[in-house]
Parts: sequence; C-alpha cells; structure tokens
Amino acid sequence: AQSVSQHNHHVILSEAASLELGCNYSYGGTVNLFWYVQYPGQHLQLLLKYFSGDPLVKGIKGFEAEFIKSKFSFNLRKPSVQWSDTAEYFCAVMDTGRRALTFGSGTRLQVQP
Amino acid sequence: DTGVSQDPRHKITKRGQNVTFRCDPISEHNRLYWYRQTLGQGPEFLTYFQNEAQLEKSRLLSDRFSAERPKGSFSTLEIQRTEQGDSAMYLCASSSSGATGNTIYFGEGSWLTVV
Repeated sequence: AQSVSQHNHHVILSEAASLELGCNYSYGGTVNLFWYVQYPGQHLQLLLKYFSGDPLVKGIKGFEAEFIKSKFSFNLRKPSVQWSDTAEYFCAVMDTGRRALTFGSGTRLQVQP
Repeated sequence: DTGVSQDPRHKITKRGQNVTFRCDPISEHNRLYWYRQTLGQGPEFLTYFQNEAQLEKSRLLSDRFSAERPKGSFSTLEIQRTEQGDSAMYLCASSSSGATGNTIYFGEGSWLTVV
C-alpha cells in the first residue's frame, strides 16, 4: 500500500524567508505526484503536479517542487514566502493504475509579517 | 461557478440519525471520489466512481456508509446510525478520463458534527 510522509507538521517563517517542505512516499511503481494547498476556510486547491518529464515542476504563486526518484521524494519549495502563503499544504501520490490519491498528513505553514 | 459543489456545507446531527450528502462534480468529469478529513489529518480515501460504477471502496467505509451515483452525474453519500466518530469533513472530488484525468479537483466539503 502507498503511504506519504510529511515530516514537518507545523512551520513558522517570517516573510521573505525561503521555504522547503518535505514529502516522501512509499511505492515502487509509477506515480503521479501532487501538492495541494488549503487556505483558511477554503477548499483544497491544486498547487502543482508531476506526471513525467522534467523532475523540477513549477506551480502557481511561485511554488516549485522537485521529484527525486531515488529518494522517493517530492519536496515543495518557494524562495520567498509571503503572509498570504499561510495555509496547510498536502502532498499526495497517485499510482497510475489506481487513480485515487493518497495524502500525507499535511504541513501547516504560518508566515509572520 | 463550475467547480465541484457539495451540499449541505454544514450538518449537525444527533447520534443515531442518518445523514446524506450530495456532490455535483464538474460537468464533463466522469470520475467522482469521496474522501474524509479530520482535523490535523490529510484527506482519507473512501470510495471512487467511474460513471455510475463504484470501482473501489476503502476499509474505512463501514456498512453504515453507502455511496451512489445512479446516473453517472451527481453522487450521494449516506451515513446511517451516525456515531460521534463520524464527525469530520466529507470531501467530494472529480476528474476526467482524458489527458488530464490524473488531476483531481475538490469541492469545499461538507462538515458533519455528530452530537
């Protein structure tokens, strides 16, 4: 069975600081990888996705993520966070045969002005 | 708004009562998913439909839970004899079977509180 680990449960940063959120998954087959964001009081929104090709993917709002197959990782990065990035971030994995997402437990990001 | 819509957004019910949630997916999407999310956790998969066929059910979906998608469009999730442990947000999501079929879009969720 697939599992997804997000090791940072709560991250507090000041504005303009750089962000890296860790995500590791366990599944040996072909996977699609996603980061979703949930702003306070809002629904889950897709931030970025990796299906194939260039392992460095860019998403909305200046976020990017790098797929490192040998490490089973898909870490999320942003060079300079803003107060409006305060939200919960979820990493998710889909094995291409199953079509359903397995989520990590989420990382709550708090950006202080 | 042409996203995934869910109704009701909030439901408070007494233990032992039945509740039903409705989900209307994005109109051209033939896949529909139900997830459950509790505070501090990521969404957990419950079940998945392709058109009207229910293709997969999680072990989390006890016999008190039933989901239907009778005409391959909207779906309902019913919880019978609710328990306090059923209190959670129930999320519906949809995707297409086309080239972007692996991108799943979520609704705003239905909060259930069992008292």
